[in-house]
Amino acid sequence: GESVGLHLPTLSVQEGDNSIINCAYSNSASDYFIWYKQESGKGPQFIIDIRSNMDKRQGQRVTVLLNKTVKHLSLQIAATQPGDSAVYFCAEIPRSASKIIFGSGTRLSIRP
Amino acid sequence: GAVVSQHPSWVICKSGTSVKIECRSLDFQATTMFWYRQFPKQSLMLMATSNEGSKATYEQGVEKDKFLINHASLTLSTLTVTSAHPEDSSFYICSAALDGFSGNTIYFGEGSWLTVV
Repeated sequence: GESVGLHLPTLSVQEGDNSIINCAYSNSASDYFIWYKQESGKGPQFIIDIRSNMDKRQGQRVTVLLNKTVKHLSLQIAATQPGDSAVYFCAEIPRSASKIIFGSGTRLSIRP
Repeated sequence: GAVVSQHPSWVICKSGTSVKIECRSLDFQATTMFWYRQFPKQSLMLMATSNEGSKATYEQGVEKDKFLINHASLTLSTLTVTSAHPEDSSFYICSAALDGFSGNTIYFGEGSWLTVV
């Protein structure tokens, strides 16, 4: 199957600070890039997505940036809260296939 | 919002037996559903794409005779792990596409923990 199975890196952030989670992707032919949040023992929860023809998209407290030149995707969370503690996955929808391929994840932990 | 339900949430089975996991789209019809497995501290790995009324499309390296997928209706897909072994123990997650295909039109279930003893 396709995906990247890696041991998860951890990002520790002070409550109230901004968080930046990064992801590198390999498939340049993708229509959508997506960020998911996964809490322990639960399924992924959609946060925000961005089309491949965009560079930036903002949601409520979250911003996704797409740099196609270096194949880099980032998720910025403003004013991080304890409820933001989770594992965050980037994912993509290849142009050639209607399916979601998950990339690596990052565990976000919040310091009080 | 659209809801995808999985059953059971967790199951323990003996080695050599088969176990079935159900994935239901509760308030919408899904012609396409997906099955993933996730090992601890790892990402989700796509196993197969389940298409209503036709055979599932398996990802490379996934044994179709080991992981039987049936999508008999527009609201139900099942994954049967046949002759389960301890190495099949994992978190199995399904998702269903509502309409079109983008990040916010695909909904995930809460996952099913399988432990094979």
